[in-house]
Amino acid sequence: GAGVSQSPSNKVTEKGKDVELRCDPISGHTALYWYRQSLGQGLEFLIYFQGNSAPDKSGLPSDRFSAERTGGSVSTLTIQRTQQEDSAVYLCASSGRETYEQYFGPGTRLTVT
Amino acid sequence: AQKVTQAQTEISVVEKEDVTLDCVYETRDTTYYLFWYKQPPSGELVFLIRRNSFDEQNEISGRYSWNFQKSTSSFNFTITASQVVDSAVYFCALSEIFQGGKLIFGQGTELSVKP
Repeated sequence: GAGVSQSPSNKVTEKGKDVELRCDPISGHTALYWYRQSLGQGLEFLIYFQGNSAPDKSGLPSDRFSAERTGGSVSTLTIQRTQQEDSAVYLCASSGRETYEQYFGPGTRLTVT
Repeated sequence: AQKVTQAQTEISVVEKEDVTLDCVYETRDTTYYLFWYKQPPSGELVFLIRRNSFDEQNEISGRYSWNFQKSTSSFNFTITASQVVDSAVYFCALSEIFQGGKLIFGQGTELSVKP
């Protein structure tokens, strides 16, 4: 079946602009995760959604970052007033309930100029 | 606090050599999962294996094998008879069950297999 998809694959934006990154998880997966991969910080957890439970936002680096998941499926990660340090690859993953095996999408490469 | 350490930043081998990638983890939980992911040059993270904390049996899948030792908090990954296609960055990760399954990654080991 189809894997996790993310869009756009690349995004270049000017400092101070807002951006939205989209993730479509594997159909039927109840858990959805966002991570960020950058040269200096490696792979970092950002936020986690499980079903209808309140999301775990403990990894979001600042209040400029937010995410939502509509209808228990598609998720959007929003970064407001982007800064150059936000430049990274943003990865989305999903997993089935209690399997904890996370399958990753191809990522969105964000460049803030 | 939870932490994953992959001390080997880069490894270079010649094709057909065996290679072991080290992973050491720290956690206070007794229930957790350990993972290995492969990130080839294309960039997508590929799931390789999940091991739970109650199962210390070693696992073999083709040329890949994993050695989990709770006594040393290690979960090492061996590739036997390496091939050029094995060239990638390999990440070890820890997931604590009661933290919702979020992954704590090591810094990764870049493996280069030369023909």
